[in-house]
Amino acid sequence: GENVEQHPSTLSVQEGDSAVIKCTYSDSASNYFPWYKQELGKRPQLIIDIRSNVGEKKDQRIAVTLNKTAKHFSLHITETQPEDSAVYFCAASSTSYDKVIFGPGTSLSVIP
Amino acid sequence: DTEVTQTPKHLVMGMTNKKSLKCEQHMGHRAMYWYKQKAKKPPELMFVYSYEKLSINESVPSRFSPECPNSSLLNLHLHALQPEDSALYLCASSPETSRSEQFFGPGTRLTVL
Repeated sequence: GENVEQHPSTLSVQEGDSAVIKCTYSDSASNYFPWYKQELGKRPQLIIDIRSNVGEKKDQRIAVTLNKTAKHFSLHITETQPEDSAVYFCAASSTSYDKVIFGPGTSLSVIP
Repeated sequence: DTEVTQTPKHLVMGMTNKKSLKCEQHMGHRAMYWYKQKAKKPPELMFVYSYEKLSINESVPSRFSPECPNSSLLNLHLHALQPEDSALYLCASSPETSRSEQFFGPGTRLTVL
């Protein structure tokens, strides 16, 4: 079955710097890659997603890139702010296995 | 209404109790999910309902029993739980079972004594 790995497990950046979180997946049939943000004590919420027919997607300070050949995808957050502090989960999904597989998560701390 | 709601927010139960968790969505989503989440871990899929039918059971012990009475409601019946079942139980819904955003409820914090 699909396996999603995520690095780093913890990340600490200064406010205003960029943060990058990287994920890899194993199943070449995976074709949908969402990213969820979970603040402490809150529910996971989708922040951005990308489908396999697209290499990059951007939404204001957040961007995601996908390399299908290498089975890598990454989250880029620019001009980080303290409210970006949270746990970020990458995930993979496919109609072939009909569910979402989450990575283990990255705890991001933005230091004011 | 673009939210998934869950009740109760907190639940404490003994190992011999029977309780139920409830989840509701009014977004017309056809897929609904139960996840279990331990601290500092990702959500762990338990069950998937598609068009009110159970489509995935991730080998969950029978002390957890899901039910989907209609397209808007999802229940999780609990019986004879163990202390290691203490966790945050998240419900989610999505327009379809794959390749679409999942909307999570706020969760039920369950403690089994």
